[in-house]
Amino acid sequence: LAKTTQPISMDSYEGQEVNITCSHNNIATNDYITWYQQFPSQGPRFIIQGYKTKVTNEVASLFIPADRKSSTLSLPRVSLSDTAVYYCLVGDMNYYNTDKLIFGTGTRLQVFP
Amino acid sequence: GAVVSQHPSWVICKSGTSVKIECRSLDFQATTMFWYRQFPKQSLMLMATSNEGSKATYEQGVEKDKFLINHASLTLSTLTVTSAHPEDSSFYICSARDRGKVNSPLHFGNGTRLTVT
Repeated sequence: LAKTTQPISMDSYEGQEVNITCSHNNIATNDYITWYQQFPSQGPRFIIQGYKTKVTNEVASLFIPADRKSSTLSLPRVSLSDTAVYYCLVGDMNYYNTDKLIFGTGTRLQVFP
Repeated sequence: GAVVSQHPSWVICKSGTSVKIECRSLDFQATTMFWYRQFPKQSLMLMATSNEGSKATYEQGVEKDKFLINHASLTLSTLTVTSAHPEDSSFYICSARDRGKVNSPLHFGNGTRLTVT
């Protein structure tokens, strides 16, 4: 059973900031939050990973509140090429942990010109 | 870094034949690799966990004799779909974590589109 809940779809326009929220009420102490982007007929691509507070890289920011029961992926100034499905994955990233990493439904983002 | 190569990217085979899909971690070692299956407009479904040097662990409902997994080295896992049928047509994706990095995320291959005619 997936540990996460996301909106099924979102629409945006080019140049806007997009925030996608993921709920993970049963997150465990050792769990990390990882976001992936997937285009049709391609494997998911790693975007960003975090444990708490805020993480930022060259493509996105990840905001995690203190209770860690949710997280928000923020994409600044989206373009048409950001149209994709975005998955939030929660799990223990310790290499030696053998827990299964189960994907939720993902959020289908459509960016319009 | 952290590249996972999957081959072939697509394959068409006749019903009753077998197809092998390779998954390689190019610049890191992976004791464990994961195989997913994805139908159109659906999420990824975990099929099995591949363990180097030991038997794979299959998810409920996945036939281990139909989907043979071999993880012969720290950089290679293979999935063989045996006696393929049209209902096995799907998008198969492998992933792996870098055992040399603490809290490494999953890195995915680009998937294999299998069409069984």
